[in-house]
Amino acid sequence: GQNIDQPTEMTATEGAIVQINCTYQTSGFNGLFWYQQHAGEAPTFLSYNVLDGLEEKGRFSSFLSRSKGYSYLLLKELQMKDSASYLCAVTQPSGGYSTLTFGKGTMLLVSP
Amino acid sequence: NAGVTQTPKFRILKIGQSMTLQCAQDMNHNYMYWYRQDPGMGLKLIYYSVGAGITDKGEVPNGYNVSRSTTEDFPLRLELAAPSQTSVYFCASTLTGSQETQYFGPGTRLLVL
Repeated sequence: GQNIDQPTEMTATEGAIVQINCTYQTSGFNGLFWYQQHAGEAPTFLSYNVLDGLEEKGRFSSFLSRSKGYSYLLLKELQMKDSASYLCAVTQPSGGYSTLTFGKGTMLLVSP
Repeated sequence: NAGVTQTPKFRILKIGQSMTLQCAQDMNHNYMYWYRQDPGMGLKLIYYSVGAGITDKGEVPNGYNVSRSTTEDFPLRLELAAPSQTSVYFCASTLTGSQETQYFGPGTRLLVL
């Protein structure tokens, strides 16, 4: 079956660093996405990891270990606007195509 | 480019009523997806399409139907609305598949009473 786990909620202070973990057990694996979703809005793309290692993009970095079924999203220099839900999603083969399976999301609350 | 558009933004249905959620994209994307998102949950795939005339079931297809007669449009049909279908529905598209960034529409909030 498919299982993608991430913490339900995290809190952090403005200016700090926070790491959001995601573990997955899926029947197939092509890559792992992180999306950001503000309340009442659609998800927006943050990062995509296919190979093991760290991908850095400004204040956001994402890490993947395929052998461990593990990823994390690292947010530096937190800002109030980073308060949002962060969705981990695995893309995997489905029939002759591929589909995306999402975790439940981690709600991040950034306080002053 | 308008990207991915969805109508309506919000709708209240009575149990047993039917409706169609509209989704359109102007990016000439081949792949389109319908997801539902319940409070505190991630997105669950309802149906997807890899091109005009080709659709397939996702994780939670029961109670829904789709069609894809053109590249641009991918409507989602609810035939007999049930309270369990109260949710936020997102449509998304990609050019060549799920290994690309998905572009999401703004969502349709549906309440079934």
